[in-house]
Amino acid sequence: QQQVKQSPQSLIVQKGGISIINCAYENTAFDYFPWYQQFPGKGPALLIAIRPDVSEKKEGRFTISFNKSAKQFSLHIMDSQPGDSATYFCAASSTNAGGTSYGKLTFGQGTILTVHP
Amino acid sequence: NAGVTQTPKFQVLKTGQSMTLQCAQDMNHEYMSWYRQDPGMGLRLIHYSVGAGITDQGEVPNGYNVSRSTTEDFPLRLLSAAPSQTSVYFCASSKRMNTEAFFGQGTRLTVV
Repeated sequence: QQQVKQSPQSLIVQKGGISIINCAYENTAFDYFPWYQQFPGKGPALLIAIRPDVSEKKEGRFTISFNKSAKQFSLHIMDSQPGDSATYFCAASSTNAGGTSYGKLTFGQGTILTVHP
Repeated sequence: NAGVTQTPKFQVLKTGQSMTLQCAQDMNHEYMSWYRQDPGMGLRLIHYSVGAGITDQGEVPNGYNVSRSTTEDFPLRLLSAAPSQTSVYFCASSKRMNTEAFFGQGTRLTVV
């Protein structure tokens, strides 16, 4: 059972455009939602993370939007650049020490982003 | 500034062989974990450790063993390799649970 569903699987965007990647989760115990960026041959690296006490978090060109009632969150990349071409993973875990999901990151399937110059 | 170091980078095993994937971190992180990455499935948690001497199972633990005798090292052992264990394996560490995870470069394992 995939507890975090990510879409689309692949995305092609022109330079300067907006890239949008969506994730939906099922486990209501999840309350930590990071996004990781992975370049070919490398390990994933943290891009930005959000906790559900806010509905949006922005860092530079990257913004996470969070909708607790819909159990969805998304990554927006503004002014997409060719250097943003990578695989993006959303993830989720629980910060509740009493729960079975405590600290265990569950990842989405990944989105391969290609930004054309 | 090494971070998380995994060895080897590539490995080919025959079915039934055993091996150990090494992982070491130099950031004094409490939390370490192992993931496998398969196409279309993201990363799946195999085992994790919240400190020396403490380990627990993740989502896909069968066929793998771990131990954590020191803060720095967290090896992953394949007991009897199977073709289904062909994957890219990543070790990660973080200061605590639910904080930034730092990943190694990965080990690409092929079981024939």
